[in-house]
Amino acid sequence: QKEVEQDPGPLSVPEGAIVSLNCTYSNSAFQYFMWYRQYSRKGPELLMYTYSSGNKEDGRFTAQVDKSSKYISLFIRDSQPSDSATYLCAPGGYQKVTFGTGTKLQVIP
Amino acid sequence: SQTIHQWPATLVQPVGSPLSLECTVEGTSNPNLYWYRQAAGRGLQLLFYSVGIGQISSEVPQNLSASRPQDRQFILSSKKLLLSDSGFYLCAGRQYTNTGELFFGEGSRLTVL
Repeated sequence: QKEVEQDPGPLSVPEGAIVSLNCTYSNSAFQYFMWYRQYSRKGPELLMYTYSSGNKEDGRFTAQVDKSSKYISLFIRDSQPSDSATYLCAPGGYQKVTFGTGTKLQVIP
Repeated sequence: SQTIHQWPATLVQPVGSPLSLECTVEGTSNPNLYWYRQAAGRGLQLLFYSVGIGQISSEVPQNLSASRPQDRQFILSSKKLLLSDSGFYLCAGRQYTNTGELFFGEGSRLTVL
């Protein structure tokens, strides 16, 4: 069983839509959950992270963790064409860092 | 701030040829370092990680190897490339924070023909 599972998409939405990106994880010991954004032909960069359960908001982005169901979500409000990228989730706090497959998002103007 | 330099950015190699990708880190000392491979349209596959000089943990055996000859240098090698080695190779370092977020290089795109 993979540590982190993610729907690879692709996901296409119109500009201004609310986007929901999701991951599931298997290890209940995970405490930190990271979201990375990867533009085409570039290295990923950290977008935001959450600790344990609950929500964290950063501008148009909200990260949410539900530890009871081992479910991680990233919401993007008022999506923009510049949000078109691949979004990867990963647990944090461990030496060995494995990623979900990433969800490719396209926001259409 | 921490920075990863990675080279070459692009290379095209014939099957059976050797490979050497190099990664250096700036802005931190004794970082954990990682090599990932990303096949077209797929996620990041962890290949190797290192917690210090000469210490390599392998996640993917086969024909790839990694070495860490210096604290801030990480090298990915192969003696004989396979077609299946084509992909986007990323070097990353890990922050010494509770979250341990990674910072990545710009990647090396390898095409094996």
